[in-house]
Amino acid sequence: DGGITQSPKYLFRKEGQNVTLSCEQNLNHDAMYWYRQDPGQGLRLIYYSQIVNDFQKGDIAEGYSVSREKKESFPLTVTSAQKNPTAFYLCASSPRDRGKDTQYFGPGTRLTVL
Amino acid sequence: GENVEQHPSTLSVQEGDSAVIKCTYSDSASNYFPWYKQELGKGPQLIIDIRSNVGEKKDQRIAVTLNKTAKHFSLHITETQPEDSAVYFCAATPNQAGTALIFGKGTTLSVSS
Repeated sequence: DGGITQSPKYLFRKEGQNVTLSCEQNLNHDAMYWYRQDPGQGLRLIYYSQIVNDFQKGDIAEGYSVSREKKESFPLTVTSAQKNPTAFYLCASSPRDRGKDTQYFGPGTRLTVL
Repeated sequence: GENVEQHPSTLSVQEGDSAVIKCTYSDSASNYFPWYKQELGKGPQLIIDIRSNVGEKKDQRIAVTLNKTAKHFSLHITETQPEDSAVYFCAATPNQAGTALIFGKGTTLSVSS
């Protein structure tokens, strides 16, 4: 069963703690992305990776970090430096072939800072 | 960089009516325009997309039109059903391999029976 999985579905964090969100895909996609969604807002890009061991900052990268050690995995760490981390986090992946690079999304992780 | 504006922010229709959502984009280099449907608490699902080499694409009750000159594209849903109720997002990208999407802020569509 191919797709993108994100875990956990809900995550609670105390202020000042780092937390890591998981994203795994078995679609053999080269590119992976992290977006943040706030109520009434569109999706804003945090980081993206076009290939293993390479990633670029998106529009709102401050307070976040990523790694891309494997093609299948693109974990996102929300650090204590992120001032307002409560949000819905979405991971996506896509092929890199021109004309076949549709992005597919995972089910999301809702992070709440207590 | 690219900026995508989406209107309206909310749309209420009666079952069976048509619904139209419009988006404009700023970067003339953008050439890929997907539409996503997001149900409450779930990730967005691609429902239709269009590339800049065509002006219109249709899939059953859903169609998308693109006007490159005016830099706008629209989603048309005909014969709406209650299950069409969701948040719809448009997006645009220059579509260089691995380039991220720029999203509109979404339209909440409510279909009442």
